[in-house]
Amino acid sequence: GESVGLHLPTLSVQEGDNSIINCAYSNSASDYFIWYKQESGKGPQFIIDIRSNMDKRQGQRVTVLLNKTVKHLSLQIAATQPGDSAVYFCAENINTDKLIFGTGTRLQVFP
Amino acid sequence: DSGVTQTPKHLITATGQRVTLRCSPRSGDLSVYWYQQSLDQGLQFLIQYYNGEERAKGNILERFSAQQFPDLHSELNLSSLELGDSALYFCASSEQGAGYGYTFGSGTRLTVV
Repeated sequence: GESVGLHLPTLSVQEGDNSIINCAYSNSASDYFIWYKQESGKGPQFIIDIRSNMDKRQGQRVTVLLNKTVKHLSLQIAATQPGDSAVYFCAENINTDKLIFGTGTRLQVFP
Repeated sequence: DSGVTQTPKHLITATGQRVTLRCSPRSGDLSVYWYQQSLDQGLQFLIQYYNGEERAKGNILERFSAQQFPDLHSELNLSSLELGDSALYFCASSEQGAGYGYTFGSGTRLTVV
């Protein structure tokens, strides 16, 4: 069935530390993955994406890792800042016209 | 500003009523997607339109309907509203389909009292 899940519902990190947010997906046919950030009262904002023919992709302070063997996706945020506090969603696409979203992980950054 | 415009931002209405949520996609985007997000929940796909035609349907209730107009804006109609319909409703648009990601609007917060 449609299932994209997250291991940790809430992650608390100290400012300046690195954050790792994890996501498990169920469909081995998924070929495109996206991480979105949602701040309170706002719509989800695209962070970074990766296609199934890659296992790593880097952006500015963010890295997405894809392990197709265990159907696992992670988002790494370097030098986490207070502005990174938000809910993070992973989403997958299986060559269809919709993205399937996970339930989200709340990232809390404390000084 | 993401380029996807949703109106109204907030809506409070009574049970049994009907409301219409509006979405204008980003310029050039032909696909519009509607998602529902209940409190502390993920994004539940409702329906997708592409260039005026329904393309995909998710767990959308029969009380809900949508359409996309020739100018590509879309409307989500919610009728016979129940307390449980209170949620954030997001519209997203894309140019080439879900395989290239969406751009989301800022949402409409619906409160049914």
